[in-house]
Amino acid sequence: GAVVSQHPSRVICKSGTSVKIECRSLDFQATTMFWYRQFPKKSLMLMATSNEGSKATYEQGVEKDKFLINHASLTLSTLTVTSAHPEDSSFYICSASSPWGQGSYEQYFGPGTRLTVT
Amino acid sequence: GENVEQHPSTLSVQEGDSAVIKCTYSDSASNYFPWYKQELGKGPQLIIDIRSNVGEKKDQRIAVTLNKTAKHFSLHITETQPEDSAVYFCAASISGGYQKVTFGIGTKLQVIP
Repeated sequence: GAVVSQHPSRVICKSGTSVKIECRSLDFQATTMFWYRQFPKKSLMLMATSNEGSKATYEQGVEKDKFLINHASLTLSTLTVTSAHPEDSSFYICSASSPWGQGSYEQYFGPGTRLTVT
Repeated sequence: GENVEQHPSTLSVQEGDSAVIKCTYSDSASNYFPWYKQELGKGPQLIIDIRSNVGEKKDQRIAVTLNKTAKHFSLHITETQPEDSAVYFCAASISGGYQKVTFGIGTKLQVIP
């Protein structure tokens, strides 16, 4: 199946700083990428949907100014957590999909990024 | 919007037995139903999916059934093995999986050797 990578896998940052998480589709062109947040022992909560070359669509209750999403190419999307606070600590997961070719109609997930804000 | 309910939340089975996880969905427009396996500290991995134009799909020890009329679908794992232990999520989507997917709450499966 299609491969999606995330970097970094783990990151620790101080409160007030910003951190960027990268999501890459390695073997297919992803027209759409999704960003999820997962709390311990909970399901995945969709934060936003990003389509290449356009602004991300955020789910209700997600602060777009705090969670900046950029999808500049068909293989890369980034999530920047700005002015991070301890309550932003979580497991962030991206997924990528495309309506054609490899990855068609499925969402392929990255391995996740564990963010800890101290 | 779509609402996906999943049960049980936890499931323990003896190695070699079968495991069944059931989900229901609310939006009759949903036409794509993937199942994901998530191991601790990792992202979800697609294990099987089914589209609304079929009622059953099988891949080795894993099978999924779909009842569109009742709006429910199930995952069946036969001859369970310890490595099947993980959290399993069902999901539903309209317009295929490349658009927004709504997840169930997850089922933690434990296979006891």
